[in-house]
Amino acid sequence: GAVVSQHPSRVICKSGTSVKIECRSLDFQATTMFWYRQFPKQSLMLMATSNEGSKATYEQGVEKDKFLINHASLTLSTLTVTSAHPEDSSFYICSARTRETEAFFGQGTRLTVV
Amino acid sequence: RKEVEQDPGPFNVPEGATVAFNCTYSNSASQSFFWYRQDCRKEPKLLMSVYSSGNEDGRFTAQLNRASQYISLLIRDSKLSDSATYLCVVLGGYNKLIFGAGTRLAVHP
Repeated sequence: GAVVSQHPSRVICKSGTSVKIECRSLDFQATTMFWYRQFPKQSLMLMATSNEGSKATYEQGVEKDKFLINHASLTLSTLTVTSAHPEDSSFYICSARTRETEAFFGQGTRLTVV
Repeated sequence: RKEVEQDPGPFNVPEGATVAFNCTYSNSASQSFFWYRQDCRKEPKLLMSVYSSGNEDGRFTAQLNRASQYISLLIRDSKLSDSATYLCVVLGGYNKLIFGAGTRLAVHP
């Protein structure tokens, strides 16, 4: 099946620094990429939807200036958590799909802000 | 009301048991439905799509009731390897996948 590569898989950063997470579709061109966040024992919460070449659409309550999303090509989207704080510690997962396919998920990034 | 609701469980069942999970969704215009499986600290993986006529894949059977806005997943002859969290997923507007909170299944010897 299709592969979505996400990295880093794990990152620890100091409070106030920024962290960039990459999501790549390796063998297909993703028309849409999604970024989710999952806190322990909770469901995946959609943060934003990203279409190649256009600005991301953020879900209500997600700060677009804090979570910067860039979808530069049909195979790459990045999420930058700016000025990270301990409450941003979470599991971040991207997914990619075309109109015809199911969603394929990256392996996830576990962010710990200390 | 949440867009997708599931019983969080956990369901603790012995090997060989049959277990059923239920899910309800709030948007009557939803057209596509899925069950995903998520293992601890891993990404979700598609288990099966859910079709109006119901569909079966080996030990797994999915059903959709549009009138009641209800989706189910039946697992027969449970295996230890079935232990995971099962996520009910609905395709919303703009191609967004809306996830339920998941139902935890623990299969014991």
